[in-house]
Amino acid sequence: NAGVTQTPKFQVLKTGQSMTLQCAQDMNHEYMSWYRQDPGMGLRLIHYSVGAGITDQGEVPNGYNVSRSTTEDFPLRLLSAAPSQTSVYFCASSPFENTGELFFGEGSRLTVL
Amino acid sequence: AQKVTQAQTEISVVEKEDVTLDCVYETRDTTYYLFWYKQPPSGELVFLIRRNSFDEQNEISGRYSWNFQKSTSSFNFTITASQVVDSAVYFCALSEAGRGGADGLTFGKGTHLIIQP
Repeated sequence: NAGVTQTPKFQVLKTGQSMTLQCAQDMNHEYMSWYRQDPGMGLRLIHYSVGAGITDQGEVPNGYNVSRSTTEDFPLRLLSAAPSQTSVYFCASSPFENTGELFFGEGSRLTVL
Repeated sequence: AQKVTQAQTEISVVEKEDVTLDCVYETRDTTYYLFWYKQPPSGELVFLIRRNSFDEQNEISGRYSWNFQKSTSSFNFTITASQVVDSAVYFCALSEAGRGGADGLTFGKGTHLIIQP
């Protein structure tokens, strides 16, 4: 059972570079989301999607872009990386009817120099 | 707006002691869900429990128990006879069902629990 798979697990970027964090789930969940975790801040919602072709902003969307072309995949794009985007990123999915219980990936640690 | 407060930033106890992690929430919805997640040192997030706002019964699962009190907007988590393996960061979270849950979870800032041998 793969569940939610995130790649890469670790990444170092220079300021201004772009990159994509990949997220895939094999549970046929309609709902997917991206969170970032910063020390002392808990987890904050970046973007979410309630189904293929539908995305929306969360609490901290600036500097990030998402798309949802298939049910399985929900990539997160950093358009021009900034040191403030140094964080641990978690992708999560949930069956839309089952409000709230999230299945998380293992996380991706991103450092922007 | 919804909010979750975990006032205890860090708790340190000796193994076998009981420990309670506090969680206070704010919401305007009458239908909502409360959660606890565990984040061990390895970093993954492990789901522990979900509670809906209409079910105030306390729940026990082995050494874990949860006390949900709507009157005080609290959803506290107790570990009985703590063990070193319980050392982790614990997050309380809230989801407002009125918005279909589409806004995701609002997390508290977490409580770092240290169990000393």
